[in-house]
Amino acid sequence: KNQVEQSPQSLIILEGKNCTLQCNYTVSPFSNLRWYKQDTGRGPVSLTIMTFSENTKSNGRYTATLDADTKQSSLHITASQLSDSASYICVVSERIKAAGNKLTFGGGTRVLVKP
Amino acid sequence: DTGVSQNPRHKITKRGQNVTFRCDPISEHNRLYWYRQTLGQGPEFLTYFQNEAQLEKSRLLSDRFSAERPKGSFSTLEIQRTEQGDSAMYLCASSLTPEGQYFGPGTRLTVT
Repeated sequence: KNQVEQSPQSLIILEGKNCTLQCNYTVSPFSNLRWYKQDTGRGPVSLTIMTFSENTKSNGRYTATLDADTKQSSLHITASQLSDSASYICVVSERIKAAGNKLTFGGGTRVLVKP
Repeated sequence: DTGVSQNPRHKITKRGQNVTFRCDPISEHNRLYWYRQTLGQGPEFLTYFQNEAQLEKSRLLSDRFSAERPKGSFSTLEIQRTEQGDSAMYLCASSLTPEGQYFGPGTRLTVT
């Protein structure tokens, strides 16, 4: 069964500090991996998307890494800001079958940035 | 605003009532997805349309649930005889390619 596991479930960090979120997956065949940020009560917003051949991708203060061999990804937040408080969801896509592209979502990591 | 829109944003209904949600995707996107998300969990796939054709349905989509996309543009998700377990955020996403799904703000359903 395809699964995406994220850790930790939640964390609290002080404003200005860095943090790293982890994502392990068993989805196969792999197509791509995305990190989304979801504010409370809103839909997810894409931060990064990486294919099999990409090891790292940045979006401002967010840097995602991917190790397709070990099926692990991380999202690093640098110099956190209060607005980074949100849930961060790791999403892995199966290689396209027919016309569909099924996504498997992790449970998310809830990040709270305190002043 | 050219993003994905969903209406209503919030819906409170009594158990046993029917509800219908609407999703308007980004205009040129031919792919449309519905997801359900409960508190503290990631979204779960419900169904997928390419243009007006419903190509995939999750086993989560019981016979009380039906989705349509009659003209290949907006889509509706109807839940009949709602149950308390249906309370969740219902998310719609659209895309032009299989990558890069754009999510709407969601419709939060509360069944009392």
